[in-house]
Amino acid sequence: AQTVTQSQPEMSVQEAETVTLSCTYDTSESDYYLFWYKQPPSRQMILVIRQEAYKQQNATENRFSVNFQKAAKSFSLKISDSQLGDAAMYFCAYRSTQGGSEKLVFGKGTKLTVNP
Amino acid sequence: DTAVSQTPKYLVTQMGNDKSIKCEQNLGHDTMYWYKQDSKKFLKIMFSYNNKELIINETVPNRFSPKSPDKAHLNLHINSLELGDSAVYFCASSRRTLAGGSGELFFGEGSRLTVL
Repeated sequence: AQTVTQSQPEMSVQEAETVTLSCTYDTSESDYYLFWYKQPPSRQMILVIRQEAYKQQNATENRFSVNFQKAAKSFSLKISDSQLGDAAMYFCAYRSTQGGSEKLVFGKGTKLTVNP
Repeated sequence: DTAVSQTPKYLVTQMGNDKSIKCEQNLGHDTMYWYKQDSKKFLKIMFSYNNKELIINETVPNRFSPKSPDKAHLNLHINSLELGDSAVYFCASSRRTLAGGSGELFFGEGSRLTVL
């Protein structure tokens, strides 16, 4: 079974600075999807960024980018120019592309605090 | 229009009672899910349905019974509520990747269940 590990329960960053959240995963599959979701205090789950394993290019969405290292099974999230609104729980998630079991497996989350 | 909507948003009840949470999606997705988020924020899948057919049942107690009357609705009924059932329950939907889906799950706002 696939597992996702986020080794940083909490992180903090100064406003306007850059922070990187770590994620590693375990799988025997060659094709899959990886995601970062954000959960602010409102508890809504919001997709931040998505990466398909067969794509070598790292995904980027405005101030958010990933460092996808397939061989190392690592998928870190970099947040540039951090803003107060970035404060939230961040979850890394894995999704298999194998038919019949399409679910997201989540890591335990990293709580990000942004200091003014 | 809300893409994935769940009701109620908050539920407070006594041990031993039976309660239901309803979920509807208007995205035309073929797969729906229930996830449970515990007090430590860990998100774990409970069930998934594809076109009204149960696909995933992750060792959830029999007291939990999902029902999907059509592919746009997935309800969760819980019998004989226990203290440990207190959590936030998220409904989500997606299109299967084999059907051309992006892999992303779209989440409802969550239903916070408190069992006293």
